[in-house]
Amino acid sequence: SAVISQKPSRDICQRGTSLTIQCQVDSQVTMMFWYRQQPGQSLTLIATANQGSEATYESGFVIDKFPISRPNLTFSTLTVSNMSPEDSSIYLCSVGTSGSDTQYFGPGTRLTVL
Amino acid sequence: AQSVSQHNHHVILSEAASLELGCNYSYGGTVNLFWYVQYPGQHLQLLLKYFSGDPLVKGIKGFEAEFIKSKFSFNLRKPSVQWSDTAEYFCAVVSYGTDKLIFGTGTRLQVFP
Repeated sequence: SAVISQKPSRDICQRGTSLTIQCQVDSQVTMMFWYRQQPGQSLTLIATANQGSEATYESGFVIDKFPISRPNLTFSTLTVSNMSPEDSSIYLCSVGTSGSDTQYFGPGTRLTVL
Repeated sequence: AQSVSQHNHHVILSEAASLELGCNYSYGGTVNLFWYVQYPGQHLQLLLKYFSGDPLVKGIKGFEAEFIKSKFSFNLRKPSVQWSDTAEYFCAVVSYGTDKLIFGTGTRLQVFP
């Protein structure tokens, strides 16, 4: 399986600011995904990061709030914009050959918004 | 809407006890099924998966799961747990045509020596 790293591993941010999370994979992958895990809850898919085109967002998530980039097959970023305390979560990226195949997860970024 | 249910939110066992964690899903079509585990302070890791074939699948660390299509279930089992099995366990399902992995709410397992 691929080795996935995320930066930063954790951060504490002020309300109204933005944070960009990076996801780096050690090999080229077809699919990259971003998930959110709110405190005490399960993982929820935010969007599929598409290389060279706009990300595909799930219901309840919008590009203005969570802009995503994927400039190549090994790297993606997720920005959490205009943050509020409700955005405090763990954000994870995952990779796979397709949406229905096995996905492998990064270590996550623990975000706390004050 | 598709959903995944894990009825056991928190399970406490002694070492050597047997384990069964329930997982039920709502989608009626063809699905791929997964169990992931998250040990304290570690990444989410794949424990086992079912795509097709033998409905009894074996994973790492002595875990197995059985897919029962008629019951829309994919329960996780281990005959004898160890302290090192203390972790959070997530069942996940993806249905063909959606390519969207849906997670259950997770089960926290605590094993005491």
